[in-house]
Amino acid sequence: DTAVSQTPKYLVTQMGNDKSIKCEQNLGHDTMYWYKQDSKKFLKIMFSYNNKELIINETVPNRFSPKSPDKAHLNLHINSLELGDSAVYFCASSQRGSTDTQYFGPGTRLTVL
Amino acid sequence: QKEVEQNSGPLSVPEGAIASLNCTYSDRVSQSFFWYRQYSGKSPELIMSIYSNGDKEDGRFTAQLNKASQYVSLLIRDSQPSDSATYLCAVSLSGSARQLTFGSGTQLTVLP
Repeated sequence: DTAVSQTPKYLVTQMGNDKSIKCEQNLGHDTMYWYKQDSKKFLKIMFSYNNKELIINETVPNRFSPKSPDKAHLNLHINSLELGDSAVYFCASSQRGSTDTQYFGPGTRLTVL
Repeated sequence: QKEVEQNSGPLSVPEGAIASLNCTYSDRVSQSFFWYRQYSGKSPELIMSIYSNGDKEDGRFTAQLNKASQYVSLLIRDSQPSDSATYLCAVSLSGSARQLTFGSGTQLTVLP
């Protein structure tokens, strides 16, 4: 039983395309996150949603748009992909009021050609 | 100044030795501290969390927190080749909505 799942696992696309990554968690958590990990392994928060409400929106290009249809899902849509968007994108979840422990999905490796 | 800094790697230790990983943070009122392990090509996996000063032990892992020095460390006793991974220090900063700030990671190699 996968706790936090992401699809797809790999995504290879051309510059200028639009793509989406989906995330689902079955832990019953109320907060979900998107992180970007670059080639140097640096993991940086992009967005966070609590009960479908955006609570963290770090400085990322507005080509990136998160969407949370319900508290178990957080999707990431990227418009006009650029070479610099190539990275591994991780979804994570946690429960507010607990100990801040975040559980990560398996990641989506995005390669922009 | 980086908010969370880890000792530069890579770090190599022989099997059976103690591996020591260090992390400093800049926000004095940080409240929650975590160590994640990340194998190559995999997602970060929580191995330790610590919230108050002192030591916290879990099996071969010991986390140490010193809020006065703004320092958190992870000791791995009896290191095994399977411990070879990148270790990420993460800090929950004050006033944040469960936002974690990660260090850049320390790559550990345990030599058989």
